Amino acid sequence: VQLVESGGGLVQPGKSLKLSCSASGFTFSSYGMHWIRQAPGKGLDWVAYISSSSGTVYADAVKGRFTISRDNAKNTLYLQLNSLKSEDTAIYYCARSLTTRPPYYYVMDAWGQGASVTVSS
Amino acid sequence: DIQMTQSPASLSASLGETVTIECRASEDIYNGLAWYQQKPGKSPQLLIYNANSLHTGVPSRFSGSGSGTQYSLKINSLQSEDVASYFCQQYYNYPNTFGAGTKLELK
Repeated sequence: VQLVESGGGLVQPGKSLKLSCSASGFTFSSYGMHWIRQAPGKGLDWVAYISSSSGTVYADAVKGRFTISRDNAKNTLYLQLNSLKSEDTAIYYCARSLTTRPPYYYVMDAWGQGASVTVSS
Repeated sequence: DIQMTQSPASLSASLGETVTIECRASEDIYNGLAWYQQKPGKSPQLLIYNANSLHTGVPSRFSGSGSGTQYSLKINSLQSEDVASYFCQQYYNYPNTFGAGTKLELK
């Protein structure tokens, strides 16, 4: 199992960014996927989940600003980040759900190396 | 949201020692608890889910226990490769939430 994030960078407040997560080593279309973030020196903060059938769930802090999506043909997960704020500065990890069975689809059994997003003017 | 309180925030232990990290939920999470290990500069890795189920490939010196609002992670016979931060996560209720972490160092 390999997950590789890309698309991070420095962005001004109010601007947008799109993260990608390329998956390999497993049947991507069969698994739910997550984005989780970690602010510098801080703990983990779940951001969003997309099921294998593309149903989505968001944390309140990002609802209406971030959009999670997937392209099963490309084995790729995405996170569109809009209206960015300084408090969105973090490393963003994509992660795979342990299983499709509730509530275990909120357990993450494989993580990428992370993409750094810095929101600053 | 369910608050997860981990203790201690940091811990120093010797090789071969047994270490216990605690996690308290603000309400009953019915064993919907996972533990993750994050080594310095690396991404988190799943250790335990369902409070006491060891994830595939995780050494048996790691174990989880607890119920209701109180849970713990125990590491038997501490190894140098166990130096890491450890996070608990409740997934019983939306939104899933993590503890602030416990940083484990060697004495």
